[in-house]
Amino acid sequence: QQQVKQSPQSLIVQKGGISIINCAYENTAFDYFPWYQQFPGKGPALLIAIRPDVSEKKEGRFTISFNKSAKQFSLHIMDSQPGDSATYFCAASPGGYQKVTFGTGTKLQVIP
Amino acid sequence: KAGVTQTPRYLIKTRGQQVTLSCSPISGHRSVSWYQQTPGQGLQFLFEYFSETQRNKGNFPGRFSGRQFSNSRSEMNVSTLELGDSALYLCASSFLTGELFFGEGSRLTVL
Repeated sequence: QQQVKQSPQSLIVQKGGISIINCAYENTAFDYFPWYQQFPGKGPALLIAIRPDVSEKKEGRFTISFNKSAKQFSLHIMDSQPGDSATYFCAASPGGYQKVTFGTGTKLQVIP
Repeated sequence: KAGVTQTPRYLIKTRGQQVTLSCSPISGHRSVSWYQQTPGQGLQFLFEYFSETQRNKGNFPGRFSGRQFSNSRSEMNVSTLELGDSALYLCASSFLTGELFFGEGSRLTVL
């Protein structure tokens, strides 16, 4: 029940296109849903996060859409750029001082 | 403010040996978590420490252990290394719940 399922495993998008990564969870106790971005040779870094009291959060070109009833959330990257090429991890935690459960990651490649 | 520092960055061990990895969190952060990252498995949670106490533990065998010191620095130890322990070990610190600040990791290769 702690699992977070992420898809697709890899994604190739043309520059200027929209990248979409999806995640699904089972544990209804999760109440914090962050996305992390990881470049080769670096540790993951927080990109954007959402709590279930809102259905969407936008920060620049990055948007999280959240569907509480379906227990799904997704990351949309608008106007994708080659610099966005990285591995993206969705995650979830039940809040408080609890462990963060990560998805298996999506390797995004944005081609010129 | 300095980030999370992990040492060593790279190491090679042979099966049966043991290894100790170190993590210095961001100043003021009292929570330190450890993750194992392997291709296809993503980030697997190992354990989390807060004020020298292990608060959460993942599903790893007892060969994996950790500790946290009074200055919040943390170490993890893997004994009797197996080939499958080859991975990137990531340490993350946090101030309050939510955002994790990761180090660049310690890449362990077991031969």
